[in-house]
Amino acid sequence: GAGVSQSPRYKVAKRGQDVALRCDPISGHVSLFWYQQALGQGPEFLTYFQNEAQLDKSGLPSDRFFAERPEGSVSTLKIQRTQQEDSAVYLCASSLPWQGLRSDTGELFFGEGSRLTVL
Amino acid sequence: TQLLEQSPQFLSIQEGENLTVYCNSSSVFSSLQWYRQEPGEGPVLLVTVVTGGEVKKLKRLTFQFGDARKDSSLHITAAQPGDTGLYLCAGFDNYGQNFVFGPGTRLSVLP
Repeated sequence: GAGVSQSPRYKVAKRGQDVALRCDPISGHVSLFWYQQALGQGPEFLTYFQNEAQLDKSGLPSDRFFAERPEGSVSTLKIQRTQQEDSAVYLCASSLPWQGLRSDTGELFFGEGSRLTVL
Repeated sequence: TQLLEQSPQFLSIQEGENLTVYCNSSSVFSSLQWYRQEPGEGPVLLVTVVTGGEVKKLKRLTFQFGDARKDSSLHITAAQPGDTGLYLCAGFDNYGQNFVFGPGTRLSVLP
């Protein structure tokens, strides 16, 4: 498809397990964002890539969270030793080169998200 | 502390009614975006407002950017059940690095 693809759509993990969430951005989109969305809340920024470079990871809640985009396309968000508070929907978004918001540029295209439940 | 605040948090109205939802900040934004998110889906962009005082219309939706570029509003005329969803405003944070979202207004339009 032509949109942002995320997998798995649903993941149930036992507390302490490691999980990996995958994001396939739209072809040609060099900017990629990860967000965490708790139930009933807005998305919270986690991290941002421009091609393979992780330009900002200030939103990652702890050192258990790690994101990579080694070839500047597919990205993986890894959560180690999952905790119950990690339960959320993890959204990935991509965009054309991020040059700031001007007029109608700078649209983020989101995937459907990966819903993580930690028991 | 949220950089972007939205109100109301929840809104339930009857089909055909008008409504306005608000996005506010103590910070100046170079531009703001409005997204709508439906259950099980990612947010979808509705509009970007750039100029202070700007008004943009998208069918029954009217978006306004405050003169001081610290706030924005979304007005829906004659709401329909298909307008149901989570309405999010978003923009760059103070340092222009992180693209942040408000907490959203959850709208329910009853037939």
